[in-house]
Amino acid sequence: KQEVTQIPAALSVPEGENLVLNCSFTDSAIYNLQWFRQDPGKGLTSLLLIQSSQREQTSGRLNASLDKSSGRSTLYIAASQPGDSATYLCAVRVRTGNQFYFGTGTSLTVIP
Amino acid sequence: DARVTQTPRHKVTEMGQEVTMRCQPILGHNTVFWYRQTMMQGLELLAYFRNRAPLDDSGMPKDRFSAEMPDATLATLKIQPSEPRDSAVYFCASGLVRDGGAVLLNEQFFGPGTRLTVL
Repeated sequence: KQEVTQIPAALSVPEGENLVLNCSFTDSAIYNLQWFRQDPGKGLTSLLLIQSSQREQTSGRLNASLDKSSGRSTLYIAASQPGDSATYLCAVRVRTGNQFYFGTGTSLTVIP
Repeated sequence: DARVTQTPRHKVTEMGQEVTMRCQPILGHNTVFWYRQTMMQGLELLAYFRNRAPLDDSGMPKDRFSAEMPDATLATLKIQPSEPRDSAVYFCASGLVRDGGAVLLNEQFFGPGTRLTVL
């Protein structure tokens, strides 16, 4: 069974700092990996999707990398802003079936 | 064993036809989410409701999609007219928000999904 872990569980940084969120998974046979943000009381908002054949994806100040062999993905956020405060989740979609497995999330607080 | 149910589980239809997907949230939950999952886009949030009121449907194409909650036990997602690009798996999830609280992922229970194919 795929297990997805995210560290740290919580992170607090001053505005303007660059930061890295980590996601690790136990089974490298994935179809894709997706990063989401979740704001309090809301659903998941997709940030970046990396197919298994890709190594990274970029969107604005966000950059996500994928290393299947080591079972790791990182989400890099440049020049953090208070509006980035949210919970960040990664999810992997496995090759068989239609299941996706979510990580436990990292709660990010950017202090003005 | 409380769970979110969705019907139908599979739907094949022709372009231009109306499609209605139904979701029964877990009894007592006051928040409902609709997601769409495709190969290329992954999981996307389409709409979410709290206490039957739509709070955000910005992820939903307004011209052909509509989401409603006729009552607390039923949420519907309708596509009219359907197009081949709508082919995807549509997930419903429900959760419980307490006053001032957040719906954590582990409190957001996903249904089995409706696999839609539009020919």
